[in-house]
Amino acid sequence: AQSVTQLGSHVSVSEGALVLLRCNYSSSVPPYLFWYVQYPNQGLQLLLKYTTGATLVKGINGFEAEFKKSETSFHLTKPSAHMSDAAEYFCAVSERTYKYIFGTGTRLKVLA
Amino acid sequence: DADVTQTPRNRITKTGKRIMLECSQTKGHDRMYWYRQDPGLGLQLIYYSFDVKDINKGEISDGYSVSRQAQAKFSLSLESAIPNQTALYFCATSETNTGELFFGEGSRLTVL
Repeated sequence: AQSVTQLGSHVSVSEGALVLLRCNYSSSVPPYLFWYVQYPNQGLQLLLKYTTGATLVKGINGFEAEFKKSETSFHLTKPSAHMSDAAEYFCAVSERTYKYIFGTGTRLKVLA
Repeated sequence: DADVTQTPRNRITKTGKRIMLECSQTKGHDRMYWYRQDPGLGLQLIYYSFDVKDINKGEISDGYSVSRQAQAKFSLSLESAIPNQTALYFCATSETNTGELFFGEGSRLTVL
């Protein structure tokens, strides 16, 4: 069965510091992997996705994530945090069917 | 205008009342979903539909029903609302060959 684990429900970083949000998954088949961001009072929007091919995936707003099959991980990074990055981030996995499993979310706080 | 529109955005109701949340989309996608978001729990799938004649229960369908009136419209009903249905509800669509979900801005429901 699919599952997603996001380590850390709250993460705080200083403005300009590295952002690292962790996601581990389990899947019985090669998965599709996603990171979504949710700003206050808004729906989720896609940051980036991995389907096949290159394991380092670049997304919007300077974020990227690396698919590591051996570690069953898909961690999200950004070299330099900006105040506007403060939001909640969700990792999700799909076994290429209708079903998407979402993690419980990580709320990112950026300190001035 | 948003590609996926949900109405109402906010609703307060009383226990036992019937509530309908509506979703319409202009993306032309066949697949539509209703999710529920609770703090610390991520998103849980209530119902999903692959086309007008294909509607399926998700993980937490008890107490909910849906109607797919057209390719573009997918409504969620709570026949007799109860307080533990207080949550943020999201409608989403997807195009099968990309896997990405497109979300509405959410409908916040409070059941007193």
